[in-house]
Amino acid sequence: DIQMTQSPASLSASLGETVTIECRASEDIYNGLAWYQQKPGKSPQLLIYNANSLHTGVPSRFSGSGSGTQYSLKINSLQSEDVASYFCQQYYNYPFTFGSGTKLEIK
Amino acid sequence: QVTLKESGPGMLQPSKTLSLTCSFSGFSLSTSGMVVSWIRQPSGKSLEWLAAIDWDGDKYYNPSLKSRLTVSKDTSNTQVFLKITSVDIADTATYYCARITTGIFDYWGQGVMVTVSS
Repeated sequence: DIQMTQSPASLSASLGETVTIECRASEDIYNGLAWYQQKPGKSPQLLIYNANSLHTGVPSRFSGSGSGTQYSLKINSLQSEDVASYFCQQYYNYPFTFGSGTKLEIK
Repeated sequence: QVTLKESGPGMLQPSKTLSLTCSFSGFSLSTSGMVVSWIRQPSGKSLEWLAAIDWDGDKYYNPSLKSRLTVSKDTSNTQVFLKITSVDIADTATYYCARITTGIFDYWGQGVMVTVSS
C-alpha cells in the first residue's frame, strides 16, 4: 500500500494569512493526488484533484502543487469558513489511501 | 444533481454482520467509468477506503479488510451495498459512500454512524 504522510497535524493561523499543508507519498504517485476539506459534522468535500486542478466551485484562494512524492495545499487569504480538517488522498493505485489529516483553526 | 445517501442499522453487537446501503441519484452506475465506493472514519480520526464497485460489476477491496467485505449493486444501478462480517468495536465509525470519477471522490453522501457495542 502507498503510505501518505501529512503534516502538520494541526495548524493555527490568523485571518488573511497564507497556510500550507504538506503530503508525502511513500512512492511516486504521478500527480494522482486529491485534497479534501471536511468541516465539523460534515462529509469531506473535494477541493483539488490531479495535484493542482481546482474542483468546480472551489474558491481560487485554494491551490495545489507538487509532483513525484511531495505535494502541498496552499490556502491564501485565510477566511473564517476555512476552519476545517484537510486530507490528502492518493488514487494512483489501489488501495486508495488518505493522509492523517490537518486540523486548521483560526487564531 | 448528484446525491448519495447511506443507511444502516445505527448500532449492532460484536460478531454480527453489518449491512449498509448507498442510494444515489443524478448518475447511473451503468455508465462507463462510474464507480461507487465505501469509506469509513472513526470519530476524530482519518479516512479509510474500504471497497468499490464499478459500472461493469468489477469489485475492489482494501486488502486489510478484504476477507470481511462484500460490495454489490442492485440491478437497477441505483443502490450499492456493503456487508462487513464479524464486526467488533474497531468497526465503530461513520461510513460514507462516494462516487468516484477517475479515482477522485467527487461526490459524498452525508454518512451514517455505526456503533458496535454489546
